[in-house]
Amino acid sequence: NAGVTQTPKFQVLKTGQSMTLQCAQDMNHNSMYWYRQDPGMGLRLIYYSASEGTTDKGEVPNGYNVSRLNKREFSLRLESAAPSQTSVYFCASSEGGRGYEQYFGPGTRLTVT
Amino acid sequence: GQSLEQPSEVTAVEGAIVQINCTYQTSGFYGLSWYQQHDGGAPTFLSYNALDGLEETGRFSSFLSRSDSYGYLLLQELQMKDSASYFCAVRDSTAGNKLTFGGGTRVLVKP
Repeated sequence: NAGVTQTPKFQVLKTGQSMTLQCAQDMNHNSMYWYRQDPGMGLRLIYYSASEGTTDKGEVPNGYNVSRLNKREFSLRLESAAPSQTSVYFCASSEGGRGYEQYFGPGTRLTVT
Repeated sequence: GQSLEQPSEVTAVEGAIVQINCTYQTSGFYGLSWYQQHDGGAPTFLSYNALDGLEETGRFSSFLSRSDSYGYLLLQELQMKDSASYFCAVRDSTAGNKLTFGGGTRVLVKP
């Protein structure tokens, strides 16, 4: 049981490049989330998927897109990376109705130069 | 929208007790969660309070007062491994399963 997995673990991009962060969970959870965490700060929600086929914007969605590929997988895409998107990105999942108890992946450390 | 306030840093010695307070403002409060995050690691769920009162889980306890829009996490018998950041997060009725996180409290445990 791997829980929530994320790839890649580290990534360096140049301004304007694009990339997709991958996330998968094997806990049969309905809800999945993407957060960013800047140094010394809390987590801010980028996008959220309540169930397969649905996505919803969070607090900081600008510059990002998401795809809920199936129940297991939820990807985050940066179309044109900017230095302000340098951050640690966490994917999380939860059972339906238990959004208060989220399970997090190990994170992707992204640097945009 | 929602807002949460918690202290930025707390220092204590091994064996001591630490209380991390969290005050919140939200339009349709459901409950308050607590998460722990070690440096370089992922957040892990500690506890959830939807009703007033104290919930105890081993050395950690969490308290909620809905009327005061206030909660706290109590860490007892502090150990070096408790050095981490602790985040409160609110769940409200307008946001479905989404959580809004506070800025975190860094706890440093000294020998």
